[in-house]
Amino acid sequence: KAGVTQTPRYLIKTRGQQVTLSCSPISGHRSVSWYQQTPGQGLQFLFEYFSETQRNKGNFPGRFSGRQFSNSRSEMNVSTLELGDSALYLCASSGSGTGNLYGYTFGSGTRLTVV
Amino acid sequence: QQQVKQSPQSLIVQKGGISIINCAYENTAFDYFPWYQQFPGKGPALLIAIRPDVSEKKEGRFTISFNKSAKQFSLHIMDSQPGDSATYFCAATYNNDMRFGAGTRLTVKP
Repeated sequence: KAGVTQTPRYLIKTRGQQVTLSCSPISGHRSVSWYQQTPGQGLQFLFEYFSETQRNKGNFPGRFSGRQFSNSRSEMNVSTLELGDSALYLCASSGSGTGNLYGYTFGSGTRLTVV
Repeated sequence: QQQVKQSPQSLIVQKGGISIINCAYENTAFDYFPWYQQFPGKGPALLIAIRPDVSEKKEGRFTISFNKSAKQFSLHIMDSQPGDSATYFCAATYNNDMRFGAGTRLTVKP
């Protein structure tokens, strides 16, 4: 059974550019969550999607956005990149509607570096 | 807004010793408390989880102790091994929203 797949694994962008990250959840999982991980802030919740609808959103500026497709694949977009956006972006999928019953399965993340 | 506080930030334990990581939460609506283990270059992996109606859960060398009245829970790793060296995160979930502690970097010395 394939795990959560995130692409690309590494990305280098310039300040002011925009970036799109992709996440393919475990087959059958309908809930996808995104997290930003940095050494200083730890794991910060970005947003969660279920059946193409955003159900929860963390405290990030509007430059961070996401979407989910009908096949449950998800993308997140960051516009007007800032140096502080450099981080590991993690995607997690869950088999239950709430995520509580089975926990989250994380991908290996996309390492974004903004220069 | 840190809803889950985790300590210590780092921990060094001798092989065979007991590793103990503590977490405290604020929101009494949280209803699921997982622990994740993360190795460098990998995403966090679910290790063990507990619901607030249970005071303790054991899986192999890993045990969660849960104190609902104190709003605290902890992870105990018995007979710690060098392969357990990783970063551990506690988390708390309510209504599709999972919040993580800041993480504990565990080093088990051989």
